[in-house]
Amino acid sequence: QVQLVQSGAEVKKPGASVKVSCKASGYTFTSYYMHWVRQAPGQGLEWMGIINPSGDSTSYAQKFQGRVTMTRDTSTTTVYMELSSLRSEDTAVYYCAKDRGTFAIDYWGQGTLVTVSS
Amino acid sequence: QSALTQPASVSGSPGQSITISCTGTSSDVGGYNYVSWYQQYPGKAPKLMIYDVSNRPSGVSNRFSGSKSGDTASLTISGLQAEDEADYYCSSYTSSSTYVFGTGTKVTVL
Repeated sequence: QVQLVQSGAEVKKPGASVKVSCKASGYTFTSYYMHWVRQAPGQGLEWMGIINPSGDSTSYAQKFQGRVTMTRDTSTTTVYMELSSLRSEDTAVYYCAKDRGTFAIDYWGQGTLVTVSS
Repeated sequence: QSALTQPASVSGSPGQSITISCTGTSSDVGGYNYVSWYQQYPGKAPKLMIYDVSNRPSGVSNRFSGSKSGDTASLTISGLQAEDEADYYCSSYTSSSTYVFGTGTKVTVL
């Protein structure tokens, strides 16, 4: 069965960077794009970007351009999302989420809480 | 890219039907048949309910249906049940090769 297992919660200071990992299993890793979506406390879903695990191409939401980097390691079937220059507004649960191949998300990781606080 | 516009809340009595709208532009909802809908319970990850405007994934109740007209997509829940009380989000592919979510709608079963 498809599983997306994310790294644990993080606490960071403003200005720092955070790197969240997402290990995929149960399907052919390179056949499906992976999204990153975040949700601030009490707020809605926010799409951050997408990576093609096959060719490493990425597309980021304009809001995060220059601050986010998504990468993958095919040998470990893991994708990574790094967000830099953190500010308090970046406090959120970050999800990796598998695209089903028709521009929709069919599986989600368990979420990683990133807290930015001085 | 601005978030798609959804009503903040919708409510209905058990057994009734409700409809949630999702309004975008010709660069997202109106331009592609790639609208999805997600259900989210508090503290849980979202669940895919509808993809490609009107298709239901395996295992999703046929009480959930989707449609689109112009720049507005809709999710209809018929035969409303207590378990349908949750937050619902639409999403669309965009002309910038990105995705955008809706603002979210809280469904309350009276």
